[in-house]
Amino acid sequence: AQKVTQAQTEISVVEKEDVTLDCVYETRDTTYYLFWYKQPPSGELVFLIRRNSFDEQNEISGRYSWNFQKSTSSFNFTITASQVVDSAVYFCALAPISNFGNEKLTFGTGTRLTIIP
Amino acid sequence: EAGVAQSPRYKIIEKRQSVAFWCNPISGHATLYWYQQILGQGPKLLIQFQNNGVVDDSQLPKDRFSAERLKGVDSTLKIQPAKLEDSAVYLCASSLGAGPSYEQYFGPGTRLTVT
Repeated sequence: AQKVTQAQTEISVVEKEDVTLDCVYETRDTTYYLFWYKQPPSGELVFLIRRNSFDEQNEISGRYSWNFQKSTSSFNFTITASQVVDSAVYFCALAPISNFGNEKLTFGTGTRLTIIP
Repeated sequence: EAGVAQSPRYKIIEKRQSVAFWCNPISGHATLYWYQQILGQGPKLLIQFQNNGVVDDSQLPKDRFSAERLKGVDSTLKIQPAKLEDSAVYLCASSLGAGPSYEQYFGPGTRLTVT
């Protein structure tokens, strides 16, 4: 069974502060993908990143960075110099890698991030 | 490029009534997904189509939920009869191919309230 835990239900920070969203996962699969999605008030989920379990290198994209640590089963997401437009619900997700094409994404419960101007 | 379209955006019905949701995926996307997102939870996959065939419907409550994707393009999700616990946002997503190596593009969702 797969499980994704986002222990932080809600976070509020003042604009320009840095903020880290935590994600811890459980899986018996040896190969898997990890994802982060953003869900703004408009409702659609916006893809942010996909990492596979082979690659533990940290990734940076503008103000966003991700820290993948297999040893602690964590895939944390940091926003540097937060902006009001970053306010949204953020979901971490996990999916096994196979050749069948029916691998489901297992989502966490999300972290609601509010950036205070 | 147009995104995933869904309608209606909001629906309020009484329990035991029927409701249908419509999804138009991104042109050329072979795979279509329906998710249920209950308030305070992450999305849960209900059904996955590859063209007009069902790949996975293991989490679809088949006694009351049905879905079809005629001609492998648009899709309809139906609930009959609705229960209070069906109140949720129903999200449609599409991707070029099947599996998590293909990025899923999500629509804005239909918010269903069952009273």
